[in-house]
Amino acid sequence: GAVVSQHPSRVICKSGTSVKIECRSLDFQATTMFWYRQFPKQSLMLMATSNEGSKATYEQGVEKDKFLINHASLTLSTLTVTSAHPEDSSFYICSARTGSVGNTIYFGEGSWLTVV
Amino acid sequence: GEDVEQSLFLSVREGDSSVINCTYTDSSSTYLYWYKQEPGAGLQLLTYIFSNMDMKQDQRLTVLLNKKDKHLSLRIADTQTGDSAIYFCAESTSSYKLIFGSGTRLLVRP
Repeated sequence: GAVVSQHPSRVICKSGTSVKIECRSLDFQATTMFWYRQFPKQSLMLMATSNEGSKATYEQGVEKDKFLINHASLTLSTLTVTSAHPEDSSFYICSARTGSVGNTIYFGEGSWLTVV
Repeated sequence: GEDVEQSLFLSVREGDSSVINCTYTDSSSTYLYWYKQEPGAGLQLLTYIFSNMDMKQDQRLTVLLNKKDKHLSLRIADTQTGDSAIYFCAESTSSYKLIFGSGTRLLVRP
């Protein structure tokens, strides 16, 4: 079946630095990818919609200059957390829409970010 | 706005059936999904149902949709200890964004 891969699965970075998380659709082309954030024991919160070849659409309250999203190809979207702070520590999950019948949406394995 | 609600916790005995319920508010939702999340992992797509269907069965999983009441349920037959996880229902908006419920933690007792 369709697979979405995220990398890295875990990353620790120092406060003030930037970190990039990749989301790849491995066996299908994804014109649209989504980035979510999940706090411990909570549900997923949509951060932004990533469209190939155009600017991402951010949800209300999400800082676009802090969470940079680039969807350069039909199989890759990246999320860069800039000038990270401890409160950015979270579980970040991407998803991709196949566009096939059912508009199946698959999720990556998630990336744990810890900012120290 | 859109809202999806789920009960927070369900405990069942191994071998019994589990029923996880979900209500949603957006009547224009086209697809409704069930995902499973194990500790520290991403979301695994279990099944989905198109809004013009009222039932979908896939092996041990049965999804029932009552569109009039905006109620969705997931029944897991012969629940196993490996089914212990958090189950999220989600509705798909017209822009394919998913609105998630709070998740139901399923605990399967031996």
